[in-house]
Amino acid sequence: DAKTTQPTSMDCAEGRAANLPCNHSTISGNEYVYWYRQIHSQGPQYIIHGLKNNETNEMASLIITEDRKSSTLILPHATLRDTAVYYCIVRVLGSGNTPLVFGKGTRLSVIA
Amino acid sequence: DSGVTQTPKHLITATGQRVTLRCSPRSGDLSVYWYQQSLDQGLQFLIQYYNGEERAKGNILERFSAQQFPDLHSELNLSSLELGDSALYFCASSPQGVSHNSPLHFGNGTRLTVT
Repeated sequence: DAKTTQPTSMDCAEGRAANLPCNHSTISGNEYVYWYRQIHSQGPQYIIHGLKNNETNEMASLIITEDRKSSTLILPHATLRDTAVYYCIVRVLGSGNTPLVFGKGTRLSVIA
Repeated sequence: DSGVTQTPKHLITATGQRVTLRCSPRSGDLSVYWYQQSLDQGLQFLIQYYNGEERAKGNILERFSAQQFPDLHSELNLSSLELGDSALYFCASSPQGVSHNSPLHFGNGTRLTVT
């Protein structure tokens, strides 16, 4: 799988949008971008994924650049409960689901 | 609630012992994945099973083994335990075969402490 680069940590004021960047410059055409988060030693929680189009669900929005070399996860109105480590992962989709390979992620702190 | 159930939540045991961790996947999911998370290593993929057969192997030690049963639940067996095996062990599941986009859904883990 292609590797990703994320900032080690970020702060965000409560109620503001949190924009978490991810670089995946070596992504291949058959690799999706997935975002997960882990809140204080709980199991990783799936947030969103996409291939090349922007995606939105009830949790977040995913913006993927046209060249697919980077993406941004947007939490539109961050709350204290969004404090977590956020992982950006690229994953090959092929003849069978493949495991996720986690990096170190970004530690997001939402501040009151 | 992800629908993935892991038992026990906590386990404390001594070095040299053997333990079994159990995972029940989400209803209908055929694939099960095991991950280890220790303080200094992050989330490490151990092994994947699909419908009872081993599908992929990661950084799993020879002292560790796993299996997936006909009812699709899975067990991770850890033997000759060492202090360094203390970690959180997560199980995840995914449908596979339904959609190649299927995300993995994780349980809340078993915290293993080896003393």
